[in-house]
Amino acid sequence: DAGVIQSPRHEVTEMGQEVTLRCKPISGHNSLFWYRQTMMRGLELLIYFNNNVPIDDSGMPEDRFSAKMPNASFSTLKIQPSEPRDSAVYFCASSSRYEQYFGPGTRLTVT
Amino acid sequence: KQEVTQIPAALSVPEGENLVLNCSFTDSAIYNLQWFRQDPGKGLTSLLLIQSSQREQTSGRLNASLDKSSGRSTLYIAASQPGDSATYLCATDNYGQNFVFGPGTRLSVLP
Repeated sequence: DAGVIQSPRHEVTEMGQEVTLRCKPISGHNSLFWYRQTMMRGLELLIYFNNNVPIDDSGMPEDRFSAKMPNASFSTLKIQPSEPRDSAVYFCASSSRYEQYFGPGTRLTVT
Repeated sequence: KQEVTQIPAALSVPEGENLVLNCSFTDSAIYNLQWFRQDPGKGLTSLLLIQSSQREQTSGRLNASLDKSSGRSTLYIAASQPGDSATYLCATDNYGQNFVFGPGTRLSVLP
């Protein structure tokens, strides 16, 4: 298996623009997680899905952030409009029962 | 709300030393605890998973223990090598509700 796949790996955008991050979980995994990592706040859980259904989105910072999982093999995290404080590394992870496997991350820079 | 802390924040040791990394959590009602490694600019790699019914797990030179009642886990690294240099994070799975990560311990093993 190729592991968790994320795209793009790097994204540079201007403030106010829409940003869409993509994730393909490991085949057969039924849970998917989106995290954000910054130097100041460490690794934060934004939202997680179980069987394509959002279970806990309490970590989503504000309404500018939204996530979808239309099927078991694809998820998106959208930021609209983006702001400089959204600059971070965004990780997607998937798990089948207990153990989480992380993707390589998307480094987002908002100028 | 679960809080996870890790001590020390950073550690520098000469090659060959045995070392212990500590992880503490405030809510002992966890489903499992997972240790990860993160190299600079990379995603997280799972090292060891300890389920709540287990007390320890071993993989090669790594041994992780779990004491739920005291809210503590330790990661023991034997005969450390320069290639072990990375940030080590622990995370608790709180009955599948969400994962909470510690801030990490940054390890440097000097040749």
